[in-house]
Amino acid sequence: EAQVTQNPRYLITVTGKKLTVTCSQNMNHEYMSWYRQDPGLGLRQIYYSMNVEVTDKGDVPEGYKVSRKEKRNFPLILESPSPNQTSLYFCASSLGRGRDTEAFFGQGTRLTVV
Amino acid sequence: DQQVKQNSPSLSVQEGRISILNCDYTNSMFDYFLWYKKYPAEGPTFLISISSIKDKNEDGRFTVFLNKSAKHLSLHIVPSQPGDSAVYFCAAGFVDSWGKLQFGAGTQVVVTP
Repeated sequence: EAQVTQNPRYLITVTGKKLTVTCSQNMNHEYMSWYRQDPGLGLRQIYYSMNVEVTDKGDVPEGYKVSRKEKRNFPLILESPSPNQTSLYFCASSLGRGRDTEAFFGQGTRLTVV
Repeated sequence: DQQVKQNSPSLSVQEGRISILNCDYTNSMFDYFLWYKKYPAEGPTFLISISSIKDKNEDGRFTVFLNKSAKHLSLHIVPSQPGDSAVYFCAAGFVDSWGKLQFGAGTQVVVTP
């Protein structure tokens, strides 16, 4: 089954304690992205990757890091989480260029930073 | 500054009637537009898309209309069904650069019996 898998689904952590949210896709997609969803703001892109070792900042990259060492994995790293990073996070992947290309989303990670 | 705006945070519609969701964008360079549907505790799922070379795309009960001069698109759901109750996100991007999709804030649709 084609899917994007995020882990963990729920996470409560304390300010300053480094954490990683994993994302894996099994569709051999080139493009992968991370979004955060906040009330009234919709989905805002944090980082995206066009292929292995190619990443770029989205609209809200501050406080986040990513890496793309393998095509299937795109982890999101919070080196020193702060309460304003409490949010619902989604990973997405897509084939890439061309029309009729949709992005597939993971089920989300609910992060609370206290 | 949000480049894609959905100004109606919620919409209530009776089962069997038409749901019309609206979306405005500011960047005239966008050449591809998508609608996503999201249920609680799930990730968004793709619904329908339209490229800037078209003004209408239809898929079953769902039709998306694009008015480039007004920088406006709309999603029509006819007839609305209870299973359509969800949050709908409008998104815009570039065909040659799929990395950068911009999303609106979403519209919560509630279909009542």
